[in-house]
Amino acid sequence: GAGVSQSPRYKVTKRGQDVALRCDPISGHVSLYWYRQALGQGPEFLTYFNYEAQQDKSGLPNDRFSAERPEGSISTLTIQRTEQRDSAMYRCASSLSAGQGNTGELFFGEGSRLTVL
Amino acid sequence: GNSVTQMEGPVTLSEEAFLTINCTYTATGYPSLFWYVQYPGEGLQLLLKATKADDKGSNKGFEATYRKETTSFHLEKGSVQVSDSAVYFCALGTNDYKLSFGAGTTVTVRA
Repeated sequence: GAGVSQSPRYKVTKRGQDVALRCDPISGHVSLYWYRQALGQGPEFLTYFNYEAQQDKSGLPNDRFSAERPEGSISTLTIQRTEQRDSAMYRCASSLSAGQGNTGELFFGEGSRLTVL
Repeated sequence: GNSVTQMEGPVTLSEEAFLTINCTYTATGYPSLFWYVQYPGEGLQLLLKATKADDKGSNKGFEATYRKETTSFHLEKGSVQVSDSAVYFCALGTNDYKLSFGAGTTVTVRA
């Protein structure tokens, strides 16, 4: 596609439910990143893939959070047994070459806003 | 660890006014520095960058100079337009994939 596409744009769920957030990167982009942005704060790194391989998941807050990118394209971020503190904007980004975070050449989607009641 | 502190907003300006958003950083090693912008209804996009000390990044009339001695990367524009209304994020990167972002500064330009 023309840009990074995320869905759903808005998700309201009840505490304890599982949610899945989807990211469709720019076609041909090797790397895919997930960031989380709490209200009034900047994005914080969650995890990163090169192709289908998860290179770093050190930013995932706990084991309720997981991510996959099974075919090296679309990625899903899953949050199990959601809690109110999980409420945030979840942002996906992609880059053309592997590991371009340091060059800043990341292309971000519009984000998925999650609200846990 | 790495961190970025940027000027708190919101900032409201009149058209053609001068804009400056302060950004300072703490990092190990030699980071690259960035300004990202988020226009209403869109994702973050890279505005400009600088990869080493004394470099100046520029784009769309915005400028920022990488000052190692003051660990700063302040964003400036001499004459803002209504279309510059957005949220601006300062960020740094010290390895090949992670970025550390500031909290963002909301700028509103009035006609």
